Amino acid sequence: EVQLVESGGGLVQPGGSLRLSCAASGFTFSSYWMHWVRQAPGTGLEWVSRMNSDGYSISYADSVKGRFTISRDNAKNTLYLQMNSLRAEDTAVYYCVRQSTRAFDIWGQGTLVTVSS
Amino acid sequence: EIVLTQSPGTLSLSPGERATLSCRASQSVTSRYLAWYQQKPGQAPRLLIYDAYRRATGIPDRFSGGGSDSDFTLTISRLEPEDFAVYYCQQYGSSPLTFGGGAKVEIK
Repeated sequence: EVQLVESGGGLVQPGGSLRLSCAASGFTFSSYWMHWVRQAPGTGLEWVSRMNSDGYSISYADSVKGRFTISRDNAKNTLYLQMNSLRAEDTAVYYCVRQSTRAFDIWGQGTLVTVSS
Repeated sequence: EIVLTQSPGTLSLSPGERATLSCRASQSVTSRYLAWYQQKPGQAPRLLIYDAYRRATGIPDRFSGGGSDSDFTLTISRLEPEDFAVYYCQQYGSSPLTFGGGAKVEIK
């Protein structure tokens, strides 16, 4: 079964850091571009970051540029998102997403990040 | 950045009726790289349509996508009870990738 499972979410204070992980299974992880998308409570979807299949092409939304770092370990079939200098407005469910045929065909169940004192 | 505006914000319909959702882009969407997703409460979004009109794997043919340039539509020909949800459009032709604000299809 093709699956993405996120972990690492939780409660963190403003200014703190958190590292999200996304374990992929059921497909050849190293062949796909991967993304992080977030959804603040009760709101819509916001694209956060993406990394190409070999890890050499990366882009970020302006809202997280300079604070978040995406990475991947193709040997471990895992995608990461290192989040530093967290703000209240970063509170959201973070989804790990596979890109196929240029659209997002597989989504994880999401992990909740809450930034609050 | 391409801004996607979805309308209407909420559509109140009965099972069996036809639903038509609109997604308007602030500029032309490259090569019709426009997708539609369905999201139910507490669940992750699910891909319905990509490349403006291609149905994703396993998506029933009552879902259809159309449009080009900067105007796109998602049509659900006959609403089933499981279709009442929030729908998002997304463009993936230009960076940054952007989503519309969502449109809720609710039971009348």
